[in-house]
Amino acid sequence: AQKVTQAQTEISVVEKEDVTLDCVYETRDTTYYLFWYKQPPSGELVFLIRRNSFDEQNEISGRYSWNFQKSTSSFNFTITASQVVDSAVYFCALSEAITGNQFYFGTGTSLTVIP
Amino acid sequence: KAGVTQTPRYLIKTRGQQVTLSCSPISGHRSVSWYQQTPGQGLQFLFEYFSETQRNKGNFPGRFSGRQFSNSRSEMNVSTLELGDSALYLCASSARIQWDYGYTFGSGTRLTVV
Repeated sequence: AQKVTQAQTEISVVEKEDVTLDCVYETRDTTYYLFWYKQPPSGELVFLIRRNSFDEQNEISGRYSWNFQKSTSSFNFTITASQVVDSAVYFCALSEAITGNQFYFGTGTSLTVIP
Repeated sequence: KAGVTQTPRYLIKTRGQQVTLSCSPISGHRSVSWYQQTPGQGLQFLFEYFSETQRNKGNFPGRFSGRQFSNSRSEMNVSTLELGDSALYLCASSARIQWDYGYTFGSGTRLTVV
């Protein structure tokens, strides 16, 4: 069963629009971490954020914000006032205490910001 | 501080051959993981090493193997290559052994099997 679902395969927005990338996860573990990574065309996965299962506080970092809701098993990512440099593939990932140092990645959302 | 370095960046091999990919983690990082990325299957966990010991292995056939050296550098090997092994292979390193710590990824090795 898919542990991390990113239902949006591709999204296109016009520069300066806000965009939200959805992530829904599934785990039976009570202790887990959620991550977001960005993958530009160069291929490297760039770390954006890590959130543990005990901390449901939303986080804002510049134009980026994350909304973690355990009740709906979601960890959504919003980019405010998008820019062309935000164009990339974004991955949501889960790691669980029970399975150790292994990430379960979603299938990714390809974001294109049109100038 | 240098990031995770993977060599080579691109590789073309023929079916049936074998290939070795190399990963140098960030200095001081002792945990190294490998992932395969394909358009069809996405990002899938291959294996993870810490202090030269394989601690975890994903669901891949025995043709995929790896090892870690005393300096934390890691190699992965794929024998008897198949067309389906064409993928971007990503290596990631972490400073800690704990499962809850994030990883820094390299830019990957793009393997094409023809």
